[in-house]
Amino acid sequence: QKEVEQNSGPLSVPEGAIASLNCTYSDRGSQSFFWYRQYSGKSPELIMSIYSNGDKEDGRFTAQLNKASQYVSLLIRDSQPSDSATYLCAVTPLSSGYNKLIFGAGTRLAVHP
Amino acid sequence: GAVVSQHPSRVICKSGTSVKIECRSLDFQATTMFWYRQFPKQSLMLMATSNEGSKATYEQGVEKDKFLINHASLTLSTLTVTSAHPEDSSFYICSARDEFGSGTQLSVL
Repeated sequence: QKEVEQNSGPLSVPEGAIASLNCTYSDRGSQSFFWYRQYSGKSPELIMSIYSNGDKEDGRFTAQLNKASQYVSLLIRDSQPSDSATYLCAVTPLSSGYNKLIFGAGTRLAVHP
Repeated sequence: GAVVSQHPSRVICKSGTSVKIECRSLDFQATTMFWYRQFPKQSLMLMATSNEGSKATYEQGVEKDKFLINHASLTLSTLTVTSAHPEDSSFYICSARDEFGSGTQLSVL
């Protein structure tokens, strides 16, 4: 079982719609959770971090964490073509002493006009 | 602006040569930095944890003698790919805290 799992996509949504990206993780003791956006050929850029159960909103982005179910999601409201990118979920697992960021394979999002 | 600076952004080299990549934290001290490698259409794979003033910690399957890491100061870590071969061609990215450098695209001919 992979430590962090994401659906590779592509997830295709129309402009203006809500994009929902999901991520599950295997280490129940994981402490910190991150969503990164990566454009082709570029390094990842941090969008959201979340540490406790519930929702965290920042502009058009909402991160949701459910530690009991071991999943974290990212909602993008009013999706724009510029949101088209690969979204990477990352966690700091207990097994690494919370020192390492372990990434999922990423979900490719395509927002079409 | 970027808080983690990485250079060079792109390197093309001949097989057998060594390549050094620098990663700097610009406005904070980083006792720990991380080096990742990413092949096309794949996720980031952690290669090693760079520890200031001590030896790097390598992930399983990563050759420490091939990927030399030096973290001599609190703001600089370097990764040297020794005797590079075409299969080492990849996108190398460093990070400190939760920020990433801009990445280095290495192409070995």
